[in-house]
Amino acid sequence: DQQVKQNSPSLSVQEGRISILNCDYTNSMFDYFLWYKKYPAEGPTFLISISSIKDKNEDGRFTVFLNKSAKHLSLHIVPSQPGDSAVYFCAASETRSNFGNEKLTFGTGTRLTIIP
Amino acid sequence: GAGVSQSPSNKVTEKGKDVELRCDPISGHTALYWYRQSLGQGLEFLIYFQGNSAPDKSGLPSDRFSAERTGGSVSTLTIQRTQQEDSAVYLCASSLSRGGYLNTQYFGPGTRLTVL
Repeated sequence: DQQVKQNSPSLSVQEGRISILNCDYTNSMFDYFLWYKKYPAEGPTFLISISSIKDKNEDGRFTVFLNKSAKHLSLHIVPSQPGDSAVYFCAASETRSNFGNEKLTFGTGTRLTIIP
Repeated sequence: GAGVSQSPSNKVTEKGKDVELRCDPISGHTALYWYRQSLGQGLEFLIYFQGNSAPDKSGLPSDRFSAERTGGSVSTLTIQRTQQEDSAVYLCASSLSRGGYLNTQYFGPGTRLTVL
């Protein structure tokens, strides 16, 4: 039962354009959402997060949008740069339960390729 | 400062053998997580350690899997009688635990386990 879904396994975007990565979730107990970026042979690195009390969080070129009613979030990267080429994982957590265990539930990832 | 380190980076073993995977978390991080990523899958939570508390083992797939964390720092994940379906990248993450906040998890580079 995949509680976090990334339905696009890959995405190609021209350099300088906007990249939009999508994520859907099914567990209504999730209250914190994160995006991680992963290069080959490296561990995932934290990119940006959003609490369920917000609908938007921005950090430089990266913006995450959360639509709780649709159980959907997206990551926007603008402008896209060649160094953004990586696999992006959406993750979610229940912070109000699990007695401090902030285990993350991950999607299967989207491979983003930025075309120069 | 140093990030999360894991060893070995790659491990090839024969079916039925036992393996040990090691994780050195970031100094001062009290929370430690193990995840694994099987081919084509997202990261899957395995086990969580917090300080000296009993670990949350709810993600371990079978009783062949066990983990310990000595002195609240280094952790070892042991897989007994390995099976081919155990082949995956095993990732360790650590975080501060500040209570009431979602604490960013920092990942190591992972150990790629191949069971022949």
